[in-house]
Amino acid sequence: QKEVEQNSGPLSVPEGAIASLNCTYSDRGSQSFFWYRQYSGKSPELIMFIYSNGDKEDGRFTAQLNKASQYVSLLIRDSQPSDSATYLCAVRGGYQKVTFGIGTKLQVIP
Amino acid sequence: NAGVTQTPKFQVLKTGQSMTLQCAQDMNHNSMYWYRQDPGMGLRLIYYSASEGTTDKGEVPNGYNVSRLNKREFSLRLESAAPSQTSVYFCASSGSSGRWGSYEQYFGPGTRLTVT
Repeated sequence: QKEVEQNSGPLSVPEGAIASLNCTYSDRGSQSFFWYRQYSGKSPELIMFIYSNGDKEDGRFTAQLNKASQYVSLLIRDSQPSDSATYLCAVRGGYQKVTFGIGTKLQVIP
Repeated sequence: NAGVTQTPKFQVLKTGQSMTLQCAQDMNHNSMYWYRQDPGMGLRLIYYSASEGTTDKGEVPNGYNVSRLNKREFSLRLESAAPSQTSVYFCASSGSSGRWGSYEQYFGPGTRLTVT
């Protein structure tokens, strides 16, 4: 079992819809959870961070964390074509070790 | 404030050649990292340096060496390049001075390496 699992996609959503991206992790001791956006040919860019159960909102982005179920999700409201990218889930556990998922490719259709 | 910079941006090597990838950060971060990214494999940690003067192996260290030259600079060396090392290499740094204050990682622009 991979430490951080994501569906590689592609996930296609129409413009203006809500995109929902999911990630599960195996280490129950994980402390912090990050979402990165990576455009094709570019480096990952941090867009969200969450560490406690519940929701955290920042603009059109909402991160959700459920430690009991070991999953973290990212919602993108009012999706735009410019949101088309690969979204990487990253989990930090003990000793500051960060593990990345393979990423989910999101396509927003105009 | 340039963030994390990497050189070179592109490189083509022949099998057996050596090279050093350079990375520097100006965010006063203590920790620095080298990753490689391959299709379908995600980001895999090669080496990291939790602080100046220390380095540790990550998930895929074979064939690589690193040097933490000072707090700002962290280099990655390929002593004898192999085609399996064809990849995109990212340097990252982390510290308490980021937007979220949670030691999140900030990435450089990457080096695209091809070994023939």
